Amino acid sequence: GAGVSQSPRYKVTKRGQDVALRCDPISGHVSLYWYRQALGQGPEFLTYFNYEAQQDKSGLPNDRFSAERPEGSISTLTIQRTEQRDSAMYRCASSGYRDRVGKLFFGSGTQLSVL
Amino acid sequence: DAKTTQPTSMDCAEGRAANLPCNHSTISGNEYVYWYRQIHSQGPQYIIHGLKNNETNEMASLIITEDRKSSTLILPHATLRDTAVYYCIVRFPSGGSYIPTFGRGTSLIVHP
Repeated sequence: GAGVSQSPRYKVTKRGQDVALRCDPISGHVSLYWYRQALGQGPEFLTYFNYEAQQDKSGLPNDRFSAERPEGSISTLTIQRTEQRDSAMYRCASSGYRDRVGKLFFGSGTQLSVL
Repeated sequence: DAKTTQPTSMDCAEGRAANLPCNHSTISGNEYVYWYRQIHSQGPQYIIHGLKNNETNEMASLIITEDRKSSTLILPHATLRDTAVYYCIVRFPSGGSYIPTFGRGTSLIVHP
């Protein structure tokens, strides 16, 4: 696609429910990153992939958070048993293989609200 | 790991140059300096990057000091649409990976 696409744009859920957030990166981009951003804060790193391999998940807050990218393209970030503190903007970014220095292209994000 | 320090906020008159500083005193030799900006609720947008030489593109100029411990992003003729949060990032390794890490950035307000 022309850019990074994320869905849904908005997600409202009740505490305790599971949610799945989707990211469709720019076609051909090898690296895919997930960030979380609270209001007034910069994006906070969660995890990233090269192709289908999860390279680093050190930013995932706890084991309720997981991510996958099974075919090296679309990625899903899953939050189980959501809590109110999980409410935030979740952003996905992708970058090309040779551009390892961090030139990222971001999607519009998914705004998650946990009631 | 190198970290960056930026002023929390700045303001600039429309049409004047906006000079946004960033301190990265612990940067290592193979780390690049990147700048992104974020307008409203949009995702961050890449502006420019550099290693040791000054760089210029259609959006901005990047001046990196000789010791590489600080840099300045220059918007030569700021417009109202340049009002945004600007992030200075230094790429540093984490377990062999390279993760762009964002701080709180500088909130730039361009006023008429």
